[in-house]
Amino acid sequence: QKEVEQDPGPLSVPEGAIVSLNCTYSNSAFQYFMWYRQYSRKGPELLMYTYSSGNKEDGRFTAQVDKSSKYISLFIRDSQPSDSATYLCAISSYNTDKLIFGTGTRLQVFP
Amino acid sequence: NAGVTQTPKFQVLKTGQSMTLQCAQDMNHEYMSWYRQDPGMGLRLIHYSVGAGITDQGEVPNGYNVSRSTTEDFPLRLLSAAPSQTSVYFCASSYSGGYNQPQHFGDGTRLSIL
Repeated sequence: QKEVEQDPGPLSVPEGAIVSLNCTYSNSAFQYFMWYRQYSRKGPELLMYTYSSGNKEDGRFTAQVDKSSKYISLFIRDSQPSDSATYLCAISSYNTDKLIFGTGTRLQVFP
Repeated sequence: NAGVTQTPKFQVLKTGQSMTLQCAQDMNHEYMSWYRQDPGMGLRLIHYSVGAGITDQGEVPNGYNVSRSTTEDFPLRLLSAAPSQTSVYFCASSYSGGYNQPQHFGDGTRLSIL
């Protein structure tokens, strides 16, 4: 079983839609949860960073962590064509020396 | 402030050739790392460094060497290129605190081994 699983998509939605991106993970010790956005031919850039459980909101983006289900989500409200990118989840714990990435979900928002 | 700079952006090699991928950061970050990104595999850690003079292996280190003589630079060396090393390589850096900290990535080196 992979340590983190992410649906690769692609996910295609109309402009203005609410987008839900998800990852599941296997190790309950993970405490740090991140979402990175990667545009084509660019490096990933950090979008959201949460520690432990709960929600975090930043503009149109909301990150949600459900540690009991080992499930993390990224919601994008009022999606825009500029949100078209690949979204990668990443997880870690205080006693590990690495960040574990999901395979990424490709999102396309069409006008 | 340039962030993380990777050179070259593209490279084509023949099997058996060696080369060095360059990575430099100007944020005074202690932690630096190299990842490769392959379709369906996500980002996989090759090598990482917690500071100048200290390096360690990641998930897929075979066929690669690193060194860290300064805080700013973290080059990745391919010893004898193989077609399986065709990939996109990303260098990343972060503040002290280990791999529970957000990573700052360069824009990658696209490497093709013939």
